[in-house]
Amino acid sequence: AQTVTQSQPEMSVQEAETVTLSCTYDTSESDYYLFWYKQPPSRQMILVIRQEAYKQQNATENRFSVNFQKAAKSFSLKISDSQLGDAAMYFCAYRSPDNYGQNFVFGPGTRLSVLP
Amino acid sequence: EAQVTQNPRYLITVTGKKLTVTCSQNMNHEYMSWYRQDPGLGLRQIYYSMNVEVTDKGDVPEGYKVSRKEKRNFPLILESPSPNQTSLYFCASSPNMNTEAFFGQGTRLTVV
Repeated sequence: AQTVTQSQPEMSVQEAETVTLSCTYDTSESDYYLFWYKQPPSRQMILVIRQEAYKQQNATENRFSVNFQKAAKSFSLKISDSQLGDAAMYFCAYRSPDNYGQNFVFGPGTRLSVLP
Repeated sequence: EAQVTQNPRYLITVTGKKLTVTCSQNMNHEYMSWYRQDPGLGLRQIYYSMNVEVTDKGDVPEGYKVSRKEKRNFPLILESPSPNQTSLYFCASSPNMNTEAFFGQGTRLTVV
């Protein structure tokens, strides 16, 4: 079964600085998708970024980018120019189109604080 | 507006009193699922549905039931809630298994 690990339960960053959240996963499949979700205090789950495993190019969405290392099974999220609104819980998630039983697997989350 | 709607947002109930959390999506998505979120554990899948009348167990199905009589609705049923089912619950949908999931607003359930 696939597993997703986020080794940093909590992190903090100074406003306007850059922070990287780590995520590793375990799988024997070659075709899959990776996601970062943001959960602010409102509890809403918001998609931040997605990465297809077959794409070598790292995904980027404005201030958010990933470092996808397929061989190392690593999928870190970099937040540049951090803003107060970035403070939230961040979840790394794995999805496989071929594994119906455990289609979407989430990590335990990293709580990010942004210091003014 | 495309969305997944869960109700209620908050619920406090007593042990053993049957309850239903509703979930509805207006995006004509095939795939729907339920998750529970607990501190330090992330989101864990309870049940999922590939299409109408097709449901299957996720990682933590014990104590829960679901049904998918219509494509848009996927209610979560707790026949006899217990305190260990106190959690934050999310319903999610997606058009297929290659895309991101769209989540409802969450239901905070407390069983006393």
